[in-house]
Amino acid sequence: EVQLVESGGGLVQPGRSLKLSCLASGFTFSNYGMNWIRQAPGKGLEWVASISSSSSYIYYADTVKGRFTISRDNAKNTLYLQMTSLRSEDTALYYCARHGPLIRGFDYWGQGVMVTVSS
Amino acid sequence: DIQMTQSPSSMSASLGDRVTITCRASQDIGNYLSWFQQKPGKSPRRMIYGATNLAAGVPSRFSGSRSGSDYSLTISSLESEDMAIYYCLQSIQYPFTFGSGTKLEIK
Repeated sequence: EVQLVESGGGLVQPGRSLKLSCLASGFTFSNYGMNWIRQAPGKGLEWVASISSSSSYIYYADTVKGRFTISRDNAKNTLYLQMTSLRSEDTALYYCARHGPLIRGFDYWGQGVMVTVSS
Repeated sequence: DIQMTQSPSSMSASLGDRVTITCRASQDIGNYLSWFQQKPGKSPRRMIYGATNLAAGVPSRFSGSRSGSDYSLTISSLESEDMAIYYCLQSIQYPFTFGSGTKLEIK
């Protein structure tokens, strides 16, 4: 069974940093691209960042470029999102999602982890 | 960036009704279009991928179609458990973009 479990969220002050993790199981993690998607309270879904299976290709939304860093450790089956210079508008539920091949899109999602940026 | 214009933003329908939600892509996305269902307090669930392919475990009353740059999600006979917010997603070009969502309510 494919499982994605996020952790590392919490309350953080503006300008500070936080690192999210997503532990994958039930599939060969090193074969799949991975993504972070976020959802502000009461709002829609926003794609944040993607990383290819071998970390060769990395992409970011303009809203987080230069502040967030996506990475992965295939030996630990773990995806990361390092968030720096956090702003109130980064407050959201952060999901990790597996990227199925070709047209398959985001086929499995984690349960999400809440990040609240507030003084 | 590719814009995904989703409509309607909300709708109310009766049990047994046929319901259609549409996303229009601002550029050619081929069949790189997925539909997701999100219920309150839950993670999004993929319903359709590749514009027309039913994801595993999704009831057959759900279907996806494409007409040019318009992509549709149709529920052939609405059931109470279908109450949710539905989103489309294009995944052909970065930045990936979601539609703004359609909140489906049961009358």
